Amino acid sequence: QKEVEQDPGPLSVPEGAIVSLNCTYSNSAFQYFMWYRQYSRKGPELLMYTYSSGNKEDGRFTAQVDKSSKYISLFIRDSQPSDSATYLCAMAETSGSRLTFGEGTQLTVNP
Amino acid sequence: DGGITQSPKYLFRKEGQNVTLSCEQNLNHDAMYWYRQDPGQGLRLIYYSQIVNDFQKGDIAEGYSVSREKKESFPLTVTSAQKNPTAFYLCASSVTGGSQPQHFGDGTRLSIL
Repeated sequence: QKEVEQDPGPLSVPEGAIVSLNCTYSNSAFQYFMWYRQYSRKGPELLMYTYSSGNKEDGRFTAQVDKSSKYISLFIRDSQPSDSATYLCAMAETSGSRLTFGEGTQLTVNP
Repeated sequence: DGGITQSPKYLFRKEGQNVTLSCEQNLNHDAMYWYRQDPGQGLRLIYYSQIVNDFQKGDIAEGYSVSREKKESFPLTVTSAQKNPTAFYLCASSVTGGSQPQHFGDGTRLSIL
């Protein structure tokens, strides 16, 4: 069983929709949670970085962590065609030496 | 502008040949990483280095080698022992290792001739 599970999609939504992207994990030692966005043929770029449980908002993006359920989410409000990309979740232990990534979810926002 | 530069963008390897992928950062980060990305498999860690002159194997180190002689540079050599090298290779760095967010370059796509 993988430590981090992420539905690969593809996910296709109309412009303006609210998008929910999710990851589940099995390692209860994960304390740091990240979301990256990766455009085709480019490197991932960091969108959100959170510690422990709770919500964090940045513009149209909200990251949510539920450690009791071992479940994290990224919500995108008022989605735009420019949001079309692959979204990767990543996690780390406090004393760990590396990040553990999900496989990524491919999102297409249709105009 | 600070960032991570990977070169070349595209690389072709002949059978039995070693090739080296370049990764340079000017972010003054201590830690650097190499990942391989295949369709449907996410990012797999090849090697990482948390300090100059030290590096550790990741999950798929066989057929690869690295060096870390300078803080700014972390080149990856894909040796002839790597039988399936066709992939997208990503280099990343972070301030320190572990739980710090990583910043990525734009990758090198390696193909077999």
